[in-house]
Amino acid sequence: QQQVKQSPQSLIVQKGGISIINCAYENTAFDYFPWYQQFPGKGPALLIAIRPDVSEKKEGRFTISFNKSAKQFSLHIMDSQPGDSATYFCAASKGAGSYQLTFGKGTKLSVIP
Amino acid sequence: DADVTQTPRNRITKTGKRIMLECSQTKGHDRMYWYRQDPGLGLRLIYYSFDVKDINKGEISDGYSVSRQAQAKFSLSLESAIPNQTALYFCATSDRTGGNEQFFGPGTRLTVL
Repeated sequence: QQQVKQSPQSLIVQKGGISIINCAYENTAFDYFPWYQQFPGKGPALLIAIRPDVSEKKEGRFTISFNKSAKQFSLHIMDSQPGDSATYFCAASKGAGSYQLTFGKGTKLSVIP
Repeated sequence: DADVTQTPRNRITKTGKRIMLECSQTKGHDRMYWYRQDPGLGLRLIYYSFDVKDINKGEISDGYSVSRQAQAKFSLSLESAIPNQTALYFCATSDRTGGNEQFFGPGTRLTVL
């Protein structure tokens, strides 16, 4: 049972454009929704995270939008740059200090000049 | 200076061989995890450990075993490797007081022929 569904699988965006990656979850007990960024040959690293008490969180060019009623959240990358080319994973967990992250299958983003 | 290190970084082995992947961390975190990453499947949890005496199975533990030799060291073993265990393996750590963020090592690419 896939608890976090991520789309699209791959995404090509021109430099300066907006990249949008979507995730949907099923378990209403989830209360922490992070996005991880992974460059080739590296481990994933936390990019930005949100809790369901807010509908949006912005850090620089990266924004998470969260829709609790639809059980969906998305990552928006504004002014996308070639250096943003990476694989992005959404994830979810439940409970403060929860150990277990359920990951989406990932989106490979390519930003072309 | 890497906070989470994994050895080896690459390993090619044959079916039926016993393989150990090692993870060390200098972050002082109490929780450690082993994940497997396959193309198009995201990250799946194999085992996790809250401390030296607390080890738990994750989503896909069959065919794997682990050992937490010290707070800083967590090893993953494949007792009898099989080709479908060919994958990228990541170790991660987190701190019970630091929220849900997990810090990943650089990964070990394992090929079972």
